[in-house]
Amino acid sequence: DGGITQSPKYLFRKEGQNVTLSCEQNLNHDAMYWYRQDPGQGLRLIYYSQIVNDFQKGDIAEGYSVSREKKESFPLTVTSAQKNPTAFYLCASRPGLAGDTQYFGPGTRLTVL
Amino acid sequence: EDQVTQSPEALRLQEGESSSLNCSYTVSGLRGLFWYRQDPGKGPEFLFTLYSAGEEKEKERLKATLTKKESFLHITAPKPEDSATYLCAASYNFNKFYFGSGTKLNVKP
Repeated sequence: DGGITQSPKYLFRKEGQNVTLSCEQNLNHDAMYWYRQDPGQGLRLIYYSQIVNDFQKGDIAEGYSVSREKKESFPLTVTSAQKNPTAFYLCASRPGLAGDTQYFGPGTRLTVL
Repeated sequence: EDQVTQSPEALRLQEGESSSLNCSYTVSGLRGLFWYRQDPGKGPEFLFTLYSAGEEKEKERLKATLTKKESFLHITAPKPEDSATYLCAASYNFNKFYFGSGTKLNVKP
């Protein structure tokens, strides 16, 4: 099946720890995105990547880092510098030049203990 | 400032009671307006893309329309399984997308 997978589904972190959220897609999409969703708020863009080995900061990049070494993978690291990381994290991909619509993965819920 | 506003925040309907959700945008040079459905604890599911004022798209009980300032998602004779949060997003370059905070729809049997 083609699609976007995110793992884990639930993640618990102690304060001061870095954690990495996985996002993989087998849709052959060029662009990938990370969003954060908090209750009652819209999706806020953390980072996006249009091609391999290139990425740009979104509106709330502080305390997060990403890499794009492979077309199909776009992992997000939540560092200890992120002061309020408890949220629902969504990864999305878009075909790129061949398409304009984003498609989303199932999400990872991160909770800081 | 580019932004998207959705109203109402929450909507309760009886089964069969048609209504509309609103998405107002101030994104300059809009190139695409997107509607998604999101169930609790899940990722958004793509519904429609609209590109220009006057465009309409339909899928089962849902119809999306677009004007120069807003988009509507019309729900005709809704069923309980239509209960979800509906998100809209706007983009001027298909690289960045501006999302509204959503309308939570609850359809009672």
